[in-house]
Amino acid sequence: AQKVTQAQTEISVVEKEDVTLDCVYETRDTTYYLFWYKQPPSGELVFLIRRNSFDEQNEISGRYSWNFQKSTSSFNFTITASQVVDSAVYFCALSEGNYGGSQGNLIFGKGTKLSVKP
Amino acid sequence: DTAVSQTPKYLVTQMGNDKSIKCEQNLGHDTMYWYKQDSKKFLKIMFSYNNKELIINETVPNRFSPKSPDKAHLNLHINSLELGDSAVYFCASSQEGRGEKLFFGSGTQLSVL
Repeated sequence: AQKVTQAQTEISVVEKEDVTLDCVYETRDTTYYLFWYKQPPSGELVFLIRRNSFDEQNEISGRYSWNFQKSTSSFNFTITASQVVDSAVYFCALSEGNYGGSQGNLIFGKGTKLSVKP
Repeated sequence: DTAVSQTPKYLVTQMGNDKSIKCEQNLGHDTMYWYKQDSKKFLKIMFSYNNKELIINETVPNRFSPKSPDKAHLNLHINSLELGDSAVYFCASSQEGRGEKLFFGSGTQLSVL
């Protein structure tokens, strides 16, 4: 069965601290896709990154970086030098690769609420 | 121009009423979705439409009915609203295909009194 677990419900840090948000997934597919979305207090869902199961390269985008490890079924997200504007709920999600079937069906984790204090 | 727009943003109504939420996307995508976010922030897919055909219908009460007049629009009709329907409903769209990223609307907060 497909499942995404974000064990950290809430994290609170002080500005400029680094913080890592954990994501562990379960799937029987060999082809799948992993995503991170951000939901700031305003409520919209903002896409951050997509990774397919064949690409284990880590990715860095500014202060954001992602560590994908198939061996541990994890796709962790690190924010370096956090800022108050990073305060949001962050969702990890999984999409399996069955074309025409469950395409687009994102299985979301329960989210991690990050609070960055000045 | 907003890529995925949904209206209204807030919807407050009485139990038993019927209401609709509209969604439009101007991205030229073939697939549109409705997701529900409950009070604990849990997001779950409700429906998915590809080129006006339903391809996912998760376990959703039949009081909820999606209507897609064309591939740019996917509206959500809810009959006989119940207290438990209170949630935020998100419309989304994507290109057809495996693992395409979803573009979400800004959400409709539905409150049933």
